[in-house]
Amino acid sequence: EAGVAQSPRYKIIEKRQSVAFWCNPISGHATLYWYQQILGQGPKLLIQFQNNGVVDDSQLPKDRFSAERLKGVDSTLKIQPAKLEDSAVYLCASSLVLRRGGPGNTGELFFGEGSRLTVL
Amino acid sequence: TQLLEQSPQFLSIQEGENLTVYCNSSSVFSSLQWYRQEPGEGPVLLVTVVTGGEVKKLKRLTFQFGDARKDSSLHITAAQPGDTGLYLCAGAWAGKSTFGDGTTLTVKP
Repeated sequence: EAGVAQSPRYKIIEKRQSVAFWCNPISGHATLYWYQQILGQGPKLLIQFQNNGVVDDSQLPKDRFSAERLKGVDSTLKIQPAKLEDSAVYLCASSLVLRRGGPGNTGELFFGEGSRLTVL
Repeated sequence: TQLLEQSPQFLSIQEGENLTVYCNSSSVFSSLQWYRQEPGEGPVLLVTVVTGGEVKKLKRLTFQFGDARKDSSLHITAAQPGDTGLYLCAGAWAGKSTFGDGTTLTVKP
């Protein structure tokens, strides 16, 4: 079974430029997550989708970050304009099912290799 | 906001030694996951614990979930250089997962 695919693996841009990351989750996984991981820290949730609907985007800086998951499969995360503090690894993860408090909601996430962003 | 604190932040040991790392919170979780992350890679799931007091073993790794489902520990017996990496715990509640900042483990040959 193919894992979570992400691209690009690395991206270097100057501040105020834009960048987009792409994610293809594991086939059949309804829930997709974008996390930001700054060096020395754990992943921080940016946005969570179930199918093509947004479940949680409370930590997404909406003035510069946007994300979509058209057709409930692939997703893109965009940053425009980028700031120096956006330098981080952007991780995409997927999970089989989201059912609040119910069976199957084990919280097990499957991550891609990440996209490392450097903003100069 | 549910916070997870992991300790120690860094740990450097010799091959063959035993170690324990901790994951603590004031919040109750429906389940807790441990992941290992190597440089340049995404986190890889090691184990899920669900029941308070649960103990799971994965070869030389032993995971324990606290009775109150607020904390967890990971014990590694006879550590090997291949165990080197960032160990992350994540608590799940109401469909959301919160990560700690991890313990960076270095096992020297």
